[in-house]
Amino acid sequence: GAGVSQTPSNKVTEKGKYVELRCDPISGHTALYWYRQSLGQGPEFLIYFQGTGAADDSGLPNDRFFAVRPEGSVSTLKIQRTERGDSAVYLCASSLNTVVGSPLHFGNGTRLTVT
Amino acid sequence: AQSVTQPDIHITVSEGASLELRCNYSYGATPYLFWYVQSPGQGLQLLLKYFSGDTLVQGIKGFEAEFKRSQSSFNLRKPSVHWSDAAEYFCAVGESSGNTGKLIFGQGTTLQVKP
Repeated sequence: GAGVSQTPSNKVTEKGKYVELRCDPISGHTALYWYRQSLGQGPEFLIYFQGTGAADDSGLPNDRFFAVRPEGSVSTLKIQRTERGDSAVYLCASSLNTVVGSPLHFGNGTRLTVT
Repeated sequence: AQSVTQPDIHITVSEGASLELRCNYSYGATPYLFWYVQSPGQGLQLLLKYFSGDTLVQGIKGFEAEFKRSQSSFNLRKPSVHWSDAAEYFCAVGESSGNTGKLIFGQGTTLQVKP
């Protein structure tokens, strides 16, 4: 079946603009995660959803970042007033549930460049 | 706080040679440990995982890893490297508190394979 799909694959925006990044998880996966990967670094956790609710948003760097998953499937990561430091690859992953060790299936990511 | 250290940022091996990628973790209880591989332009793929039991775990693509509690290590090994193994490798530890599956990743090790 289809894997985790992220759109767009690349996004270039100007400083101060608003962006939305979309994640379409594997069908039936209740848990959805957002990670951010800066150049030369490992992925860093941002937020995860169990169903429609954000169960843990402790990794969001500040209140410019927000994510939703209104119907428990597709999720959108929203970044307001983008800054150059937001430039990174944003990864989405889904898993069947949130039991530790439930394998994460990652998308190919959205590369965000803020100019 | 949990953390993962991958001491080697970049490793080069000859095709056919053996490989060992190092990973050290800091965690108070029994960790849940993972190795992921990221090829250029592709999403992270799970190679193998350790939860409990046998400390030597087998994964896909001929990889194995050994959990050594006394050394807080979870090193990844392969007896004979193929050119297609060139990629970035990430070690990760899973949180056990709160019953979540969020991961803490190391910085990654880039593997280059010489013909």
